[in-house]
Amino acid sequence: EPEVTQTPSHQVTQMGQEVILRCVPISNHLYFYWYRQILGQKVEFLVSFYNNEISEKSEIFDDQFSVERPDGSNFTLKIRSTKLEDSAMYFCASTIREGQGMMNTEAFFGQGTRLTVV
Amino acid sequence: KQEVTQIPAALSVPEGENLVLNCSFTDSAIYNLQWFRQDPGKGLTSLLLIQSSQREQTSGRLNASLDKSSGRSTLYIAASQPGDSATYLCAVRTSNSGYALNFGKGTSLLVTP
Repeated sequence: EPEVTQTPSHQVTQMGQEVILRCVPISNHLYFYWYRQILGQKVEFLVSFYNNEISEKSEIFDDQFSVERPDGSNFTLKIRSTKLEDSAMYFCASTIREGQGMMNTEAFFGQGTRLTVV
Repeated sequence: KQEVTQIPAALSVPEGENLVLNCSFTDSAIYNLQWFRQDPGKGLTSLLLIQSSQREQTSGRLNASLDKSSGRSTLYIAASQPGDSATYLCAVRTSNSGYALNFGKGTSLLVTP
């Protein structure tokens, strides 16, 4: 069964360092997302991405975050200068399509990358 | 702003029991509602998707219902098994949230042998 794949599963980084989290969405999906879950809290939306541009972003997704689809399969989240409060589980998700009148699509999530900022 | 609440926060039942998990949302203008399972330290596994025009969806021992007008969904698990132990998350996609899913905090379920 097709699945969303994320690497690495766990990353430890020092405060102020840049990290790149990687995702391979399901191959025929067109819409990609990043969510995060701080320990003990809700899963929160960060950003959605379609056709090589950001479709929507939350207030959490500030200038330290960026996303990219560098090739036909990978989707990345970059955090430029990590802070302690960036420690969380980051989830990548994908859907086959979206758009007005086509919102009834199932989102598939990866296994997550646990980011620990020390 | 859409708020999603799940009750109870935690639930412990003996194996074999039928159980109901509850999800409520404040804005009834939803496109769909999705139930997920999350094992400790793991990702989210999609269980069921209910579209806004549907009243319920079934998959194996799972049945999810949706009452949009009252802002509620329930996940019914029949004949629970220890392997069902996990956190169950409810998430809604709302017309004012674009493409984003709004999640509840989840119900942590423990099924004891």
